[in-house]
Parts: sequence; C-alpha cells; structure tokens
Amino acid sequence: AQSVSQHNHHVILSEAASLELGCNYSYGGTVNLFWYVQYPGQHLQLLLKYFSGDPLVKGIKGFEAEFIKSKFSFNLRKPSVQWSDTAEYFCAVMPSWGGNQFYFGTGTSLTVIP
Amino acid sequence: NAGVTQTPKFQVLKTGQSMTLQCAQDMNHEYMSWYRQDPGMGLRLIHYSVGAGITDQGEVPNGYNVSRSTTEDFPLRLLSAAPSQTSVYFCASSSETGNTIYFGEGSWLTVV
Repeated sequence: AQSVSQHNHHVILSEAASLELGCNYSYGGTVNLFWYVQYPGQHLQLLLKYFSGDPLVKGIKGFEAEFIKSKFSFNLRKPSVQWSDTAEYFCAVMPSWGGNQFYFGTGTSLTVIP
Repeated sequence: NAGVTQTPKFQVLKTGQSMTLQCAQDMNHEYMSWYRQDPGMGLRLIHYSVGAGITDQGEVPNGYNVSRSTTEDFPLRLLSAAPSQTSVYFCASSSETGNTIYFGEGSWLTVV
C-alpha cells in the first residue's frame, strides 16, 4: 500500500543538539513534499515544501530538508535545536495525480530538554 | 485574513447524538478536506471536496457525512456519534495548484 513513513515516533534531544527526522514515501510519479509542525494545542503549520529544483529546501526557523529521489526520502534537519522546537512534526506528500490530496505520516514527537 | 475557521473548538457528545462541525475558508480555495488526528496515527483523511457540489470519501469516511453547497463552507456531520469518533478534527483547504494546505485550529470532540 502507498504510504508515508516517519520512522522516529518520539525523539528527545538536548538544546543545541542536531536534529534529523526521517520521512519516506511510497508514491510513484511526481510528488510535492511538505513538512508541517504542530506546537502543543495548536494546528499544523507549514515548515517547508519541495516542488522541484534544488533538492535541499530551506524553511522557517532554521529547518531544512533534503529530497533524495532515489531513496524516496525527504528528511528534515536542523543543526541546533531549541526548547521552542518541542512539537510534533508531520511529513506530507501530495502526488501530482492525487487531485490535491495530501497524505500524512504518523508524526514524530520532538521533545527538547533545556 | 481569517483563513480556515472551524467551530466549535470543543464539544462533548453522548453516544448516538448527532452534530455538525462547521468549516469555512475565505481564500477562495477549491479543495477542502476533513482530517481526524489520533495519537500514533497521524492525520487521516475523512472526506474531501474538489469544488462546490463535489465530495468524495477519504481513508476513514464511515460515520461521517459532508456536503459542499458553496466554495466557502464544508461542514462535517456525525450522524450517530460513537466513542470511536473521539478525536481532534481538522478542516483544511488548498488551492488548485496544491501549493500548500491550510489548516483550521482544530475541533476537540469527545463522545461519552
């Protein structure tokens, strides 16, 4: 079955540590890729997106993600996390053939310890 | 700019009751959708609409109905609430290009 997989369910880091959250998808063809963040008690907000071009995408708050087509991956990275990055992170895929349907991963909960 | 507006934010229902979650967007987006968010399961698509008068089922449509009489509004109806429908519900909209998806603030529903 086609899916979006986020391998890390819960990550705990100390402030200033580096972050990498994995995302793999199994949809064929052209896809648009997204990372969303959900702070406690809030709705999802867009961190960054990839449609085409440079596979290294920079988003808000120092986040970046790299699209590796051969690996069907779109991993999220941040060189140095802050306590305020504590949130849930969702990878999402929108296949070009999907009629604007977004498919989400199960999310990764990040806790940053001061 | 209000974006996507959902009401109510919190609701407690008894098993068997019906209710409607309201969703409105002011961005003139053609595409609207409803998701439910449950711990460890991410967001699952309930129903979606690609334009006024057109709706379709997502991954978990059972127990829910939708309609799209206008571009702006996309209400979600629970016909006979069940405890399994206790969840957080998000309405979302996106443009034809699918540039990004915008979410409402969420509706926390508890069915007892």
